[in-house]
Amino acid sequence: DTGVSQDPRHKITKRGQNVTFRCDPISEHNRLYWYRQTLGQGPEFLTYFQNEAQLEKSRLLSNRFSAERPKGSFSTLEIQRTEQGDSAMYLCASSSGTGTGAYGYTFGSGTRLTVV
Amino acid sequence: SQKIEQNSEALNIQEGKTATLTCNYTNYSPAYLQWYRQDPGRGPVFLLLIRENEKEKRKERLKVTFDTTLKQSLFHITASQPADSATYLCALPTSGSARQLTFGSGTQLTVLP
Repeated sequence: DTGVSQDPRHKITKRGQNVTFRCDPISEHNRLYWYRQTLGQGPEFLTYFQNEAQLEKSRLLSNRFSAERPKGSFSTLEIQRTEQGDSAMYLCASSSGTGTGAYGYTFGSGTRLTVV
Repeated sequence: SQKIEQNSEALNIQEGKTATLTCNYTNYSPAYLQWYRQDPGRGPVFLLLIRENEKEKRKERLKVTFDTTLKQSLFHITASQPADSATYLCALPTSGSARQLTFGSGTQLTVLP
């Protein structure tokens, strides 16, 4: 297993277009997270999956954003009608664990989105 | 609301010295705290997790302390090397959430040869 993979690494899109990102987590990890990071800031939580169930979603997440994790494996994050404010690094992370245990995340290298 | 503050200025130190980074938090009592390293254009890499009942944790040249009275964690890199240059992020479980982490904005460390 080579870690968490994200695709594409970079995406440039015109304002108003839809974009979709993919994340392949570490295969034995049942938890998957999406975060967004802008320059000079720490990652900001977007959503969390345990297996295929989306259990938490940021209140800041616009309804233009949707995420799925079919069959509890890979995940996709779609942004509809992109805006310039959506330009950021989109990070996927996975972790193992059950119950309320605390575990470190393994992050992918991210997808850099630029909306022009 | 929950707030995390890390060293606001970038930190430059000489090779071989000990780097000390600070993470302060307010309005919260986290059960644990995590530290990550992030290189430019890459995702963060998990380094250490320390729980509220642990005062100190070590991993090779890294040492983390967690003072729940002061609401502060200190992250030390001993015998620092230029390869340690990166941004270091602290993260706490988000209040009211089962699984979210809230990250600080990070401290950029440069180790000068």
